[in-house]
Amino acid sequence: DAKTTQPPSMDCAEGRAANLPCNHSTISGNEYVYWYRQIHSQGPQYIIHGLKNNETNEMASLIITEDRKSSTLILPHATLRDTAVYYCISRKTSYDKVIFGPGTSLSVIP
Amino acid sequence: DTAVSQTPKYLVTQMGNDKSIKCEQNLGHDTMYWYKQDSKKFLKIMFSYNNKELIINETVPNRFSPKSPDKAHLNLHINSLELGDSAVYFCASSQGDFYEQYFGPGTRLTVT
Repeated sequence: DAKTTQPPSMDCAEGRAANLPCNHSTISGNEYVYWYRQIHSQGPQYIIHGLKNNETNEMASLIITEDRKSSTLILPHATLRDTAVYYCISRKTSYDKVIFGPGTSLSVIP
Repeated sequence: DTAVSQTPKYLVTQMGNDKSIKCEQNLGHDTMYWYKQDSKKFLKIMFSYNNKELIINETVPNRFSPKSPDKAHLNLHINSLELGDSAVYFCASSQGDFYEQYFGPGTRLTVT
């Protein structure tokens, strides 16, 4: 699986969009990009995934560059409850061996 | 209703003991996983079962033995516990090769 790199931490003002970047420059053509988040002391929560096209769901949007070497997770209107560690991972299937971490620690500030 | 549940939530035990962690999912998924989150917060997959059959077995000591009595349950038994086994263990499930995994609340194991 391709290795991903993310900034260790970010701040975002409440109500503003949070843009979380992820680099996956060695991603292969059949690997998906996934985003999960982990709120303190809880199990990780799936957010969104994509292969080539941009994706949107009720939680977030995922923008993948045309060369697929990087992506951005967008939380359109961040709330205090979005404070969490966000993991960007790439994998071919859900059976793939993968390591989550260390991720980006997002702090949403009032 | 809790989708993926684990018991116990906390487990404190002494070195050398044997302990089990139970996991149940009520989502009708056919694939279940065990992950270990260490003190540095890296979350690593340990095992994966699909329809009660082991499909991923990462390099973990053979003191760790998963058991899947049915598709809804995946238990983790640990023999001869060591200090290094202290971590948070998460159970998860998904539907086959589907990408969305649902995680349980975690079990914090402390070995003294």
